[in-house]
Amino acid sequence: EDKVVQSPLSLVVHEGDTVTLNCSYEVTNFRSLLWYKQEKKAPTFLFMLTSSGIEKKSGRLSSILDKKELFSILNITATQTGDSAIYLCAVQTNRDDKIIFGKGTRLHILP
Amino acid sequence: NAGVTQTPKFRILKIGQSMTLQCTQDMNHNYMYWYRQDPGMGLKLIYYSVGAGITDKGEVPNGYNVSRSTTEDFPLRLELAAPSQTSVYFCASSRDSNSPLHFGNGTRLTVT
Repeated sequence: EDKVVQSPLSLVVHEGDTVTLNCSYEVTNFRSLLWYKQEKKAPTFLFMLTSSGIEKKSGRLSSILDKKELFSILNITATQTGDSAIYLCAVQTNRDDKIIFGKGTRLHILP
Repeated sequence: NAGVTQTPKFRILKIGQSMTLQCTQDMNHNYMYWYRQDPGMGLKLIYYSVGAGITDKGEVPNGYNVSRSTTEDFPLRLELAAPSQTSVYFCASSRDSNSPLHFGNGTRLTVT
């Protein structure tokens, strides 16, 4: 059974800290890994990763994939209160077109 | 473009009632998905569709039905509502299998 596991499930840090969110997966015939940010309503897309070792970056957020060890990390540097959200990791396989999500990491940034 | 539109935003059902959650997208996306999100949990895939006339079961399809008669619309049907179906339901679409999902704003459903 395909599985996506995120850790930690919950994290509280102070503004300005750097955080690292983890996502490990066990799937057959991996295609891509995606990160989403969910604030009040719909998740919004952050990154799609398909190749190992290539960092994707957007402002203070970055992410990298390790296909050998089957995990990805999402880094947020110089955190701000606006980064408070649930961060969701999802994996898509080549076997079918399902996109399977982890439980998410609930991040809270204290001012 | 409106993107992915879900209606209604909120709904309260009694046990045993039925209803249809509507989802429509105006981006001409082939792929559409239905997820449910329970409190403190991630998204669980209910059904998905890779094009008009094609639907497939996801992780938690029991108690639900879908149809995809047009590219734009992907309604989700609950036939006999149960308290376990209390959740927030998200519809999403993507252009193809290599593109990210675009989500609607969700429907909050309570079954009592």
